[in-house]
Amino acid sequence: NAGVMQNPRHLVRRRGQEARLRCSPMKGHSHVYWYRQLPEEGLKFMVYLQKENIIDESGMPKERFSAEFPKEGPSILRIQQVVRGDSAAYFCASTMARASSGNTIYFGEGSWLTVV
Amino acid sequence: GESVGLHLPTLSVQEGDNSIINCAYSNSASDYFIWYKQESGKGPQFIIDIRSNMDKRQGQRVTVLLNKTVKHLSLQIAATQPGDSAVYFCAEVRDQGGKLIFGQGTELSVKP
Repeated sequence: NAGVMQNPRHLVRRRGQEARLRCSPMKGHSHVYWYRQLPEEGLKFMVYLQKENIIDESGMPKERFSAEFPKEGPSILRIQQVVRGDSAAYFCASTMARASSGNTIYFGEGSWLTVV
Repeated sequence: GESVGLHLPTLSVQEGDNSIINCAYSNSASDYFIWYKQESGKGPQFIIDIRSNMDKRQGQRVTVLLNKTVKHLSLQIAATQPGDSAVYFCAEVRDQGGKLIFGQGTELSVKP
């Protein structure tokens, strides 16, 4: 009964490099969310995906950020040309169906990105 | 804009006492609420949830109360223990988007 798995747990990138964060949802879950958390702050919604579809990306920055959830394999959050302001913890969550129907949403342990 | 907010950023309680953490929300269309606990360096951990057609739900040592009239949510922890020290977030789910909207969080410190 593995939970939501995220990797890498810690990632250091130089300014201008690319960061790729991976998320494997819980078994049987086909809905994935990505959140960003800055130090001493709450979690900010970024994107909500279902297999092969982006449902809501209203929290994604317009540039440099993209997300996918292919039919096979983990969900990927990709940050191109990272800047220091991208340094944060990125959390993935998954659920079996739309959260609005009362399905519990479980979080992974996060990926900590540091841009130097 | 609409948001979920918490009344107090920090709460300090004596071990063994009961804790009450509050949350205000502004969107009356929200139909599902969740409380999460987050320890340092870890992801949010589900504690308890409640649907908008309920006003109270109990778990093990925790109770969530929902007052839709004043758009207020609270988490009560009975016999608080040192292991309860963490940041607690309330989150709301809105039917249209199915996404969680988090509040800022309350840091609970338990004094031995």
